[in-house]
Amino acid sequence: SAVISQKPSRDICQRGTSLTIQCQVDSQVTMMFWYRQQPGQSLTLIATANQGSEATYESGFVIDKFPISRPNLTFSTLTVSNMSPEDSSIYLCSVEGGGRYEQYFGPGTRLTVT
Amino acid sequence: AQSVAQPEDQVNVAEGNPLTVKCTYSVSGNPYLFWYVQYPNRGLQFLLKYITGDNLVKGSYGFEAEFNKSQTSFHLKKPSALVSDSALYFCAVRDGNRDDKIIFGKGTRLHILP
Repeated sequence: SAVISQKPSRDICQRGTSLTIQCQVDSQVTMMFWYRQQPGQSLTLIATANQGSEATYESGFVIDKFPISRPNLTFSTLTVSNMSPEDSSIYLCSVEGGGRYEQYFGPGTRLTVT
Repeated sequence: AQSVAQPEDQVNVAEGNPLTVKCTYSVSGNPYLFWYVQYPNRGLQFLLKYITGDNLVKGSYGFEAEFNKSQTSFHLKKPSALVSDSALYFCAVRDGNRDDKIIFGKGTRLHILP
């Protein structure tokens, strides 16, 4: 399984500012995913990021609000822009397993917007 | 489109007793099924998967799950519960006939009572 790290692990931000979350994987992967999870709730997929192409966003999520970079096969960033308290959530990075079946998850970034 | 249902928000089991966490799914193609566990303030950990083959799948920490095609179910089981099994459990499904994303259930909180 892949080892995934995220930075920062948590942050408290003011309304109207932006935060960039980093995701680093210990092996090269084709597909990376960004999820949002309200504490104790299920996961909602924000977007899928392939290296060398534009991220694909799910319904309800737009690039202007959640720009994603994928500069190489081991790294990605998600920016939460112009934050509001409704953006307070846990943001999770995920990658596919080698067999393109299961996914593995990073430890998450807990974001609180005041 | 695929979907997954976890009918119980919470399951309480006495330590040492067998436990079952229920999951049913809907998918048009071949179901790829997964269970994940999330401990407090941690990311999701992969437990087990069913892709093909034996209907009884064994995974990490003594957990197993049984794929039942006729009932479209994939219940998670463990013969003897430990207090340390207390966590949030997510069932997930993917359509194996399509290059589709994984869909997660809403989660079931498992409480093991000492």
